Amino acid sequence: DAGVIQSPRHEVTEMGQEVTLRCKPISGHDYLFWYRQTMMRGLELLIYFNNNVPIDDSGMPEDRFSAKMPNASFSTLKIQPSEPRDSAVYFCASTREGSSYNEQFFGPGTRLTVL
Amino acid sequence: AQSVAQPEDQVNVAEGNPLTVKCTYSVSGNPYLFWYVQYPNRGLQFLLKYITGDNLVKGSYGFEAEFNKSQTSFHLKKPSALVSDSALYFCAVRDWYAGNMLTFGGGTRLMVKP
Repeated sequence: DAGVIQSPRHEVTEMGQEVTLRCKPISGHDYLFWYRQTMMRGLELLIYFNNNVPIDDSGMPEDRFSAKMPNASFSTLKIQPSEPRDSAVYFCASTREGSSYNEQFFGPGTRLTVL
Repeated sequence: AQSVAQPEDQVNVAEGNPLTVKCTYSVSGNPYLFWYVQYPNRGLQFLLKYITGDNLVKGSYGFEAEFNKSQTSFHLKKPSALVSDSALYFCAVRDWYAGNMLTFGGGTRLMVKP
């Protein structure tokens, strides 16, 4: 299995631009999580999906952030408009209910820099 | 609400010496506890977990962790540290009542010096 796939690995953009991060979970996993990691705030859960349905988005910082999961093999996290404070590493993770009691598998992350 | 505390931002240890990375937790129900490791520019990798049963859990790369219910702790240990163990370590907890969410600690940077 290829594991969780994220793209792009690095993204540099200017303030005000739209940014879209992509994630392909492990096949057969029915939970997908988006995290953000910064030095100041550590690892934060932004949103998670179960069977493509958003379950908890209380971690999404503000309306500029949105996430979708149109099918079981693809999810996007969009920031519009982006701001310098959004600079962080964004991770996607997936897991399967009832499998290994919630061991999550993480992707390699997308390092976002907003200038 | 569930929470995890990793009281040390950094732990320094000499190669060959035993290491301990501390973690305490707070949950309302029975805890499921996890340790993850993050190497530079990589995602988090699962090391080990405690669900139930034996309080001493063995995981990848020679790591183990001891669940202590009375002290609400789940410290990560290794008998003999390697330079290659240098990384960022995260403790995480899942509360049985909190759905499928993990709550992560702030992370502890382990530095193993030759």
